[in-house]
Amino acid sequence: DIQMTQSPTSLAASVGESVTITCLASEDIYGSLVWYQQKPGKSPQLLIYGATILEDGIPSRFSGSGSDTQYSLKINSLQPEDFASYYCQNGSSTPWTFGGGTMLELK
Amino acid sequence: EVQLQESGPGLVKPSQSLSLTCSVTGYSITSDYWGWIRKFPGNKMEWIGHISYSGSTNYNPSLKSRISITRDTSKNQFFLQLNSVTTEDTATYYCARYAVNYGGYDFWGQGVMVTVSS
Repeated sequence: DIQMTQSPTSLAASVGESVTITCLASEDIYGSLVWYQQKPGKSPQLLIYGATILEDGIPSRFSGSGSDTQYSLKINSLQPEDFASYYCQNGSSTPWTFGGGTMLELK
Repeated sequence: EVQLQESGPGLVKPSQSLSLTCSVTGYSITSDYWGWIRKFPGNKMEWIGHISYSGSTNYNPSLKSRISITRDTSKNQFFLQLNSVTTEDTATYYCARYAVNYGGYDFWGQGVMVTVSS
């Protein structure tokens, strides 16, 4: 199985700041990386697929980058609704595997 | 719009079977792939498996001996059965549509919390 190591586990930031979350795959996943946002009591929402492609309706302050084994999610100018948990997912080969999650909290 | 809704018992006894239903509206399950994912207390997420538009299945090897995903196309529903549950199967279970072009899940149910306890 491909292991996905996500960091940091938690992150505190203020509205207006920018943050970056990283995801490291145990082997090359060829850009097949998905990012989700999950708010308490809600189901995950797909933000980015193919490592860099923004899903329809997702604000442009979200961006993804990376290749091979290293990937990042950047959120510019944090808004109050962005404080949530974020997960990466290997989309290269089954079993699909997830990172351990990053909880983004308001400082 | 695609909508998914999980249903099933919230409490299951150890060694028994967990059975969940995912009802899909707004889209036919004879297209695309339909999966089950669970999130444990402590936030780890695990892919359980999926069933394809043709009815073929793909399971997480870690669970393969205990799970079965089936479907009823006449009702536009698919199902998860997890056998011989233990307390470690306590989690929130989600059903979701797998989008091949995305490599991920674009529509999710709201999730159902299942506790395994005697």
